[in-house]
Amino acid sequence: QKEVEQNSGPLSVPEGAIASLNCTYSDRGSQSFFWYRQYSGKSPELIMFIYSNGDKEDGRFTAQLNKASQYVSLLIRDSQPSDSATYLCAVRYDYKLSFGAGTTVTVRA
Amino acid sequence: DTGVSQDPRHKITKRGQNVTFRCDPISEHNRLYWYRQTLGQGPEFLTYFQNEAQLEKSRLLSDRFSAERPKGSFSTLEIQRTEQGDSAMYLCASSFLGSTGELFFGEGSRLTVL
Repeated sequence: QKEVEQNSGPLSVPEGAIASLNCTYSDRGSQSFFWYRQYSGKSPELIMFIYSNGDKEDGRFTAQLNKASQYVSLLIRDSQPSDSATYLCAVRYDYKLSFGAGTTVTVRA
Repeated sequence: DTGVSQDPRHKITKRGQNVTFRCDPISEHNRLYWYRQTLGQGPEFLTYFQNEAQLEKSRLLSDRFSAERPKGSFSTLEIQRTEQGDSAMYLCASSFLGSTGELFFGEGSRLTVL
């Protein structure tokens, strides 16, 4: 069973702060890693992906990957109320993605 | 709109009835996936197709579930003899063979079994 674990929420951050989300995975053969955002009642929306060790930045989002530690993280800088959602970590095994249970983030004004 | 399209968006049925969901993927995407999501959980893989071939089916998937993609375009997911435990959001996603593997999801079909 391919496991993807995310830090349990909910995570509450003040507007303008940094939200830090963590994810660990069990299979060292994993090829690429994804972060999805899911608003309540909606489907997951791709934020970004990463496949090399290190950091990848896209606007206010930074993904970090450490394959040796089997660890992926997502930082959301300058958090906005519109960032309030559940964030899903997904790991690619062969041709499919396995998802964590998600971390719910609430940005309070 | 060129995104993934799912129909119906909502389905309420009585236990024991059959239901069918349809998914139209992004036109140039040759991989199509079905996932199921229940409240508080991440999407759970059900099955996927490359073109018209069903290449993998989750071992957790009951024999009451069947999926097809007859011409390598749209797909259907049928659930026979529905049970209350089948109540969930059924998500369809597609991807392009040469991509890094990112999936693009449709809006989902929410099933409620009474």
